[in-house]
Amino acid sequence: GQNIDQPTEMTATEGAIVQINCTYQTSGFNGLFWYQQHAGEAPTFLSYNVLDGLEEKGRFSSFLSRSKGYSYLLLKELQMKDSASYLCAVSGHNAGNNRKLIWGLGTSLAVNP
Amino acid sequence: ETGVTQSPTHLIKTRGQQVTLRCSSQSGHNTVSWYQQALGQGPQFIFQYYREEENGRGNFPPRFSGLQFPNYSSELNVNALELDDSALYLCASSLGLASETQYFGPGTRLLVL
Repeated sequence: GQNIDQPTEMTATEGAIVQINCTYQTSGFNGLFWYQQHAGEAPTFLSYNVLDGLEEKGRFSSFLSRSKGYSYLLLKELQMKDSASYLCAVSGHNAGNNRKLIWGLGTSLAVNP
Repeated sequence: ETGVTQSPTHLIKTRGQQVTLRCSSQSGHNTVSWYQQALGQGPQFIFQYYREEENGRGNFPPRFSGLQFPNYSSELNVNALELDDSALYLCASSLGLASETQYFGPGTRLLVL
């Protein structure tokens, strides 16, 4: 089956660093996404990894290991506005061999002062 | 650049009714995906449209139907509404099937009583 696992909740302190992990098992692999979703709002794109390694974008970095079916999102210099749900999504294939995004349930991050 | 828009923003219906949700894709995007997101859950893929044709469908019953227009805007129709259909319905557009990054609209929050 196709499955994505990420922690349900995490808590961190303003100014600190937090790592949100994601493991996946999918049919086919065309890349892994991280999205940020604030309460009551739509998800917004953060990063896309298709090759192994680390992609850095400002305070946010995303890492991928395809052989391990593993990714993490690293948030540095945490700010209060980073309190949100972080969604891991993998582009795989459905039964008809069409590409589809498979979503995790999201990790709710609370940043405390 | 025009972002993804959805209408209405909020909607209240009763069981058994029918609803139509609308989405205008981001300028230049020809692919639209629809998702259902229940409270505290990740988005669940409903279906995707590419150049007016359905290109993949998730595990939703036939009472969930859709279409895409020549200008790439899209509609999601849900017949015989059930209480469990209460959710945030998200539309996401992307630049063709080979482009993985999806950009989300603000969503339509549907409440079925």
